[in-house]
Amino acid sequence: LAKTTQPISMDSYEGQEVNITCSHNNIATNDYITWYQQFPSQGPRFIIQGYKTKVTNEVASLFIPADRKSSTLSLPRVSLSDTAVYYCLVGDGYNQGGKLIFGQGTELSVKP
Amino acid sequence: GAGVSQSPSNKVTEKGKDVELRCDPISGHTALYWYRQSLGQGLEFLIYFQGNSAPDKSGLPSDRFSAERTGGSVSTLTIQRTQQEDSAVYLCASSSRTGVDTEAFFGQGTRLTVV
Repeated sequence: LAKTTQPISMDSYEGQEVNITCSHNNIATNDYITWYQQFPSQGPRFIIQGYKTKVTNEVASLFIPADRKSSTLSLPRVSLSDTAVYYCLVGDGYNQGGKLIFGQGTELSVKP
Repeated sequence: GAGVSQSPSNKVTEKGKDVELRCDPISGHTALYWYRQSLGQGLEFLIYFQGNSAPDKSGLPSDRFSAERTGGSVSTLTIQRTQQEDSAVYLCASSSRTGVDTEAFFGQGTRLTVV
């Protein structure tokens, strides 16, 4: 299971772009990179997933460099409602026994 | 159902009592996960099921914790002889199959308070 490292916390202001980087130096060939968002008092929810290059959806963008040893979640023009914990997960369904392990995540605080 | 359903949403129990927490996954989802989240902490992985089978129970904190899943659907997490340190939010998630590459859907959780 690829180990991930991400900042414990980040602060931002409304309207700014926020980039959260996750390091995963021992990512395996079959591994995908998945990000979840957790609001206070709720379960996490899937935001975005990618394998390489760039992925964009209505919520965020995910940038993955060619060596795939890191990934960056980009939130455009954040609002107060984006205050949450963001988790980076790396793995696949075949080589890690099916576990879905969440690290400590990055606590994003958006201020007015 | 439309989403993952957990019951009860809140449970207050006395120290030493047994509790059962229930999770109804999304219909057709074969993978089911249980987590524990203490106040201000991250998600602690407890156990997962692939169908009715739990391949790895090493995440369960002690032998007071057990879980089962029947009919490939509903799962129950049982905590025997509850202790105050068991107080936490217990979250359940399901997905169409196991793995990071498959989206998991979480329930709202059961907040357990042991007094």
